[in-house]
Order: sequence, then C-alpha cells, then structure tokens
Amino acid sequence: DGGITQSPKYLFRKEGQNVTLSCEQNLNHDAMYWYRQDPGQGLRLIYYSQIVNDFQKGDIAEGYSVSREKKESFPLTVTSAQKNPTAFYLCASRDSSTDTQYFGPGTRLTVL
Amino acid sequence: GQNIDQPTEMTATEGAIVQINCTYQTSGFNGLFWYQQHAGEAPTFLSYNVLDGLEEKGRFSSFLSRSKGYSYLLLKELQMKDSASYLCAAASGGSYIPTFGRGTSLIVHP
Repeated sequence: DGGITQSPKYLFRKEGQNVTLSCEQNLNHDAMYWYRQDPGQGLRLIYYSQIVNDFQKGDIAEGYSVSREKKESFPLTVTSAQKNPTAFYLCASRDSSTDTQYFGPGTRLTVL
Repeated sequence: GQNIDQPTEMTATEGAIVQINCTYQTSGFNGLFWYQQHAGEAPTFLSYNVLDGLEEKGRFSSFLSRSKGYSYLLLKELQMKDSASYLCAAASGGSYIPTFGRGTSLIVHP
C-alpha cells in the first residue's frame, strides 16, 4: 500500500523547544517537499529535496532545518528560532513521470 | 515574482454547476494544478493542465489558456461532499515546484 505518511497528526510543544516532524514515502519518488499552511493562506514552501543528500531552501526556511539521508525519509525540524511555529505542516513527494505532487496527511503543530 | 489569484469563497446549490477561476503570472510556466482540500486534511490531486484546452474527468473539468494566464475548474452536479477548499497552483522552472494560490472555499448548500 504505497503512500506518504506523516507523524504525529497532532503535536504540542512548549515555546523554546525544538521539534522534529516525520515524513516517510514508499512511492520511490526522488523529490520531496515541506509546506506550511496557515488559515487563509496558501501553501508556503519551507524546504525541498530533489535527490538524496541534497536539499534547498524554500520561501520561508528561516527557523527550520531538514535532512535527506534516505530516499524514503525527509524529516523537518522546527527550531526555537522559528518565531511563529504554530501551523499545519504538509509533506509532499513528486511523481517525476507526471510532475504531480502527492501530499501526506499533515501534522498540526501547536506551540504553547 | 509569481502571483496566483483565485476568489476567496464561493457558494453554490447542490446539483448545480460552479466554475472556480484562477489567474496566474509566473515566469517559466510549465503547467497548472488543481487540488481539493477538505478542512483539516491534506490536498488531493484533481488535475494538471499543460496544454491549452479543456480536460474532463467525470464531474470535474479543468481548462487552461496559457496566453491569458488563466485557468478554471468546473464542477458539475454538485454534491454536499464537494464543499472544500480548491487550490490552484502554477508549476514553473526546471524544478517544477508549484506556487499555490490561497485557495477558494466552496460551500455547497441544499
């Protein structure tokens, strides 16, 4: 059963703590992406990775970090430097044969 | 820069037809995506238009005019479950990273 998984679905953290969001895919896609979604806003790109061991900053990378050590995994760390981390975080991977992105179920992060 | 515009909210009646418009301004345009997103859930893929014209998929159709920087999503025989946000996204450049609009919230009422 192929797809993209994100865990956990809901996450609560205290201000000043770093937190890592998981994203795994078994679709054999090379490219993976992290987006942030806030109410009334479109999806904003945080980081993306076109291939293993390589990643690029998106439009709003400040306060975030990523790694891409395996093709299947693209975890996102929200650091204490991120000023307003409470949001819905979406991970996606791209099917290069159709250029279509497919999304995981998302993680809703609330920083208290 | 890149700019995607779509209406914030639309309402329609069950069984009717609704057209959601999207205009875009982007360099190195590759194609136009439409996604459906129910509240609290992930976006799901609806269509990807690369060439001009209308593509039909069941009750949903999507149209693209590259020269006008314009697309629309047409939903026929509306059902209550079609109440959702519809995201327009323009892909551009060699990396095919889409730029998303803010989404159009569609409310279908009986």
